Amino acid sequence: ETGVTQSPTHLIKTRGQQVTLRCSSQSGHNTVSWYQQALGQGPQFIFQYYREEENGRGNFPPRFSGLQFPNYSSELNVNALELDDSALYLCASSKGSYNSPLHFGNGTRLTVT
Amino acid sequence: DQQVKQNSPSLSVQEGRISILNCDYTNSMFDYFLWYKKYPAEGPTFLISISSIKDKNEDGRFTVFLNKSAKHLSLHIVPSQPGDSAVYFCAAIGGGADGLTFGKGTHLIIQP
Repeated sequence: ETGVTQSPTHLIKTRGQQVTLRCSSQSGHNTVSWYQQALGQGPQFIFQYYREEENGRGNFPPRFSGLQFPNYSSELNVNALELDDSALYLCASSKGSYNSPLHFGNGTRLTVT
Repeated sequence: DQQVKQNSPSLSVQEGRISILNCDYTNSMFDYFLWYKKYPAEGPTFLISISSIKDKNEDGRFTVFLNKSAKHLSLHIVPSQPGDSAVYFCAAIGGGADGLTFGKGTHLIIQP
């Protein structure tokens, strides 16, 4: 059983640029969600996708957007990068039921300079 | 406004003893709670969960207790082992909120 994989592992971008992070879900999982973890904080929910539609969103501005593909892989796009966007971005997949535990990837460390 | 609070940033426990990690929440609509464990350079790993209709759930060395009236839950690890050294996150969901709400984590250090 393949787990959740994320790419790239590390990324450095300049303020104002755009970035795309990628995630492959664990096999058998149809729901993917993204979290942002700033230094010293717990993960914060960005949004969730089910059947290629966003079906839940946290308190993040519209410049954070995403996609889920038919094979359940996913992308997180961030436009107009700000210094505060520097964080670990975690992708998680699950079977979609309310109490189905999330399975996380190892994350992408984004640094905005 | 932190809805899930882990007030101990770190905890040091001797190997073989009991580790108790605490978590408080403020949102009474939360109805499902989870604990995750995170090693450096890895994503969080699911440990154990509990529904609000229960007050205890056990899985091997890990037990989670829920006190709804106090809005408090705790994770007990017994006996503690060196491999348990990690950051532990408490998380909650419910009340129509989307996604999990996490605490800031507690760094557990198991000393030999």
